[in-house]
Amino acid sequence: AQSVTQLGSHVSVSEGALVLLRCNYSSSVPPYLFWYVQYPNQGLQLLLKYTTGATLVKGINGFEAEFKKSETSFHLTKPSAHMSDAAEYFCAVSQDSNYQLIWGAGTKLIIKP
Amino acid sequence: DTAVSQTPKYLVTQMGNDKSIKCEQNLGHDTMYWYKQDSKKFLKIMFSYNNKELIINETVPNRFSPKSPDKAHLNLHINSLELGDSAVYFCASSPSGQGRLGAFFGQGTRLTVV
Repeated sequence: AQSVTQLGSHVSVSEGALVLLRCNYSSSVPPYLFWYVQYPNQGLQLLLKYTTGATLVKGINGFEAEFKKSETSFHLTKPSAHMSDAAEYFCAVSQDSNYQLIWGAGTKLIIKP
Repeated sequence: DTAVSQTPKYLVTQMGNDKSIKCEQNLGHDTMYWYKQDSKKFLKIMFSYNNKELIINETVPNRFSPKSPDKAHLNLHINSLELGDSAVYFCASSPSGQGRLGAFFGQGTRLTVV
């Protein structure tokens, strides 16, 4: 069965510092991978996704993620954190194009001034 | 234009009441979903409809009943509300299976049962 693990329920970085949010998955076949962001009191917004092709995926707001099959990881990064990045981030995986995403527990990103 | 809209945004009600949450999407998507997000932000899919047909029906109490009058609408009706139903409920839609393309989410309905 598929599963998603997000290391760290809370991650705190200083403004201007590198953001690294970790996501590892288990899947018996090449997966589809997603990162979503949820700002306070709002719905989830798709940040980026990997389906096929280039393993380094660029998303909105300067975020990117790299699919590493050998490490079964899809970590999210941003070179320089901004206060507006404070939010909850969710990693999700799907084994195929069927209707179900498997979700991680989320990581709350805290930005220190 | 709001892509996926839910009403109401906030809902406070007493135990035992029946309530409905409405969802509409104007994206032309075939598939719609209901998710529940608990106080720890954990997301759980409840239902999925594809072209008005129920596709996913996770282990959810029978008190929860989805209704899809057409593929642009998926409403959630909850009978005999309990304290444990308090959560944020999200409607979402996708062009087909969300597994490959991801899903578009509404703003959520915060349900508080007192």
